[in-house]
Amino acid sequence: LAKTTQPISMDSYEGQEVNITCSHNNIATNDYITWYQQFPSQGPRFIIQGYKTKVTNEVASLFIPADRKSSTLSLPRVSLSDTAVYYCLVGSRDDKIIFGKGTRLHILP
Amino acid sequence: GAVVSQHPSWVICKSGTSVKIECRSLDFQATTMFWYRQFPKQSLMLMATSNEGSKATYEQGVEKDKFLINHASLTLSTLTVTSAHPEDSSFYICSASTGSSENDEQYFGPGTRLTVT
Repeated sequence: LAKTTQPISMDSYEGQEVNITCSHNNIATNDYITWYQQFPSQGPRFIIQGYKTKVTNEVASLFIPADRKSSTLSLPRVSLSDTAVYYCLVGSRDDKIIFGKGTRLHILP
Repeated sequence: GAVVSQHPSWVICKSGTSVKIECRSLDFQATTMFWYRQFPKQSLMLMATSNEGSKATYEQGVEKDKFLINHASLTLSTLTVTSAHPEDSSFYICSASTGSSENDEQYFGPGTRLTVT
């Protein structure tokens, strides 16, 4: 499984756009990139998944450059309720998920 | 979306007793379920992969005789912590996949908080 590197923590303010970048230099050809969100004492929640270029859904966008060695999760206009830990995961279908340390995002009023 | 439930949501038990945690996929069949453990301020650590009808595959360092996993049906997997000790106190989370070739999203349960006194 490809290792990922993310910032340990980030702070931002309500209403701002937040971009969290994840490095995965050893990503394999059949690996997908998936982001999860976790609130304290809850299970992780799926945010978005992509393979290349850009993916957008109702909560986030995922930008993946051509070399796929990194990816950026973009959260538009964050609110206090977006304070959580965000995990970037890389793996192929049917892979077991191995979590890295994640990014602790703290949204300030 | 698909829903995964866990029961109980929290449990307190005495040292030396055993505790069973259930993980159910409510609206889909899950050939494979995963069990994780999470200590405070830490990431999730994969404990084992549970396959319906076969023995679970444990990660290195996880005692299979202490953490018994049974996946008797396509919607239910159980984790039994045997002879629990205070150091087993943790947040236990399961996940399940639909196994669809078009959506490999894993759905996580809400977690079970185990406290061993």
